[in-house]
Formats: sequence, C-alpha cells, structure tokens
Amino acid sequence: SAVISQKPSRDICQRGTSLTIQCQVDSQVTMMFWYRQQPGQSLTLIATANQGSEATYESGFVIDKFPISRPNLTFSTLTVSNMSPEDSSIYLCSAGQGASNEQFFGPGTRLTVL
Amino acid sequence: KNEVEQSPQNLTAQEGEFITINCSYSVGISALHWLQQHPGGGIVSLFMLSSGKKKHGRLIATINIQEKHSSLHITASHPRDSAVYICAVSLNFGNEKLTFGTGTRLTIIP
Repeated sequence: SAVISQKPSRDICQRGTSLTIQCQVDSQVTMMFWYRQQPGQSLTLIATANQGSEATYESGFVIDKFPISRPNLTFSTLTVSNMSPEDSSIYLCSAGQGASNEQFFGPGTRLTVL
Repeated sequence: KNEVEQSPQNLTAQEGEFITINCSYSVGISALHWLQQHPGGGIVSLFMLSSGKKKHGRLIATINIQEKHSSLHITASHPRDSAVYICAVSLNFGNEKLTFGTGTRLTIIP
C-alpha cells in the first residue's frame, strides 16, 4: 500500500491569489492524479500528473488555471491560479502502483476562496 | 446519464441494522472500487474488485459483471460507519483514472 500526505490540509484564500497544494507519497508510484470535489458533488478528475512531462488534463480543465508539477515518482503539486469563490472545493491527490489498478487517496485539501 | 449510478443517495438506519448500498454502471470496466469519505474529506479505499465477492470485517462487497452491478453491505452497523460511500470504476487496466458515482450518505443512529 501507499501512504499519501497533502499540504496544506485546509486554507482560506482571497480572490485573485494562487495556492499550491503538495502531495507526497511514501513510496514510488506509477500514476498520480488530482481530483476536485465541489460542495455536495462527487469527485471530478482534473488531470493525470506525469513524471517528467506535462500533465494530461481532462475536459474543462486547463494548464493555465491548474498548473501541475511532478518532478519525481513520489511528489506532485497542484496550483490553483487566480482563484475565485467557484474554486472553493476539496482537492484530492491519488496514486496508483504498478498494474494492480489499486488506488490510494490523500486526506484532501479543503480550500475556501473569499 | 452518469456512467456510474448509486442508490440510495441518502440512507439513515438504526445501529445494528444490515446496510446495502447499490452501484450500477453502463460501460465495460476493469475494476470497481468502493471508497469511504468521512466529513473531513479524506477518502479511504475499502475494496477493489473485478469479480465475485470480498469481505473485510463487517463489510462485504459483491459484483456481478454480467449485470453491471455491485453492492456494498455493512453488517451490524455502527455510528462510526456514518460516512459517504462512493462507487468508482476503472475503465482500463494499469491504474487508469476513475469514474465516480455521486455517493451515498449513510447515517447510523445510536
């Protein structure tokens, strides 16, 4: 199994600012994903974080708004840029190992934009 | 129509009751996941299954590939089981992205 930590666990931010969320895995993993969960909604995939190359974004999400880094096999960051109140959500990181299809989730970052 | 449908959306039961949450999906999948989300937001993976049945403590998950249906059962429910239970499917092997159901909010009353 893999243990995932996220920083910060929560934050309250002002409109127009940016926040970078960190995701750290305690072992090397093949795949890392970033999800958003808006209030009362289920999870939506933002992007797949690729090690050593640009992230793969889902429809409706763009790199300028959600730049992602993945410098190695255990770490990734998601930045929420030029925030508005509509960005208030829980942001979750997940990771998968090998070809097992098993995925592990981080504790989430609860973001409130005023 | 969502590719993954869950029922019921909300479920309230008395402590000790047997709980069933259902998940139906409309596409071919490589695996189905049952996840638990507590009020703080963190998600715990309960089961991943591609056929048959799995059991862990008081939790049982079953899947019928032909009928594209899965159930999560909780025996002897307890207030600490109160959480949102989410069904998610993988469409391809190899840690592909998950497609999520809308979740079932379970409340167990003492």
